[in-house]
Amino acid sequence: AQSVSQHNHHVILSEAASLELGCNYSYGGTVNLFWYVQYPGQHLQLLLKYFSGDPLVKGIKGFEAEFIKSKFSFNLRKPSVQWSDTAEYFCAVSYTGTASKLTFGTGTRLQVTL
Amino acid sequence: GAGVSQSPRYKVAKRGQDVALRCDPISGHVSLFWYQQALGQGPEFLTYFQNEAQLDKSGLPSDRFFAERPEGSVSTLKIQRTQQEDSAVYLCASSSRTFSNQPQHFGDGTRLSIL
Repeated sequence: AQSVSQHNHHVILSEAASLELGCNYSYGGTVNLFWYVQYPGQHLQLLLKYFSGDPLVKGIKGFEAEFIKSKFSFNLRKPSVQWSDTAEYFCAVSYTGTASKLTFGTGTRLQVTL
Repeated sequence: GAGVSQSPRYKVAKRGQDVALRCDPISGHVSLFWYQQALGQGPEFLTYFQNEAQLDKSGLPSDRFFAERPEGSVSTLKIQRTQQEDSAVYLCASSSRTFSNQPQHFGDGTRLSIL
């Protein structure tokens, strides 16, 4: 079965610290990769996505992610986090030919302290 | 509306009751998805519609779960004879096209509690 692993369940950082959240997916063919964020009390929102081309993708709010095909990874990074980045982050994958359904990781709760 | 709308936001039901959850996708969006999110977990796929056609229902956990989208817009997820393990947040998402690389837009979800 297709699966997505997020190794960090809860991360606590001080403001201005750098962030890297891990995401690995199981092989299943051509993939489309997404990071979604859920701020407290809000719905899931798309941060960034990778379909093809440059493996380093940039998203909103200074986030970026790198697709490393050989490692089946799509890690999320931000050089300097802000208190407002406190949220839950979900990595998700869809496989070409599976009617667009997303397989999500279990999420990483990020807490940024002042 | 501007986004995906789900109702009700919260639903409490007694075990054995039937419930119906509504999703109003972004206008014009062809694809509609339902996901179930248990506490502390990521969303899990339930079912997918392309217009009014239900093309994938492989994630529905049992025959107590039923979804429809009769006119290709609003969708209803129905759960019959609810059980405690059905307690979860039910998310609806829509996307403008049918390709697997299209991002999905999510609603706020319905939090279902079965007593």
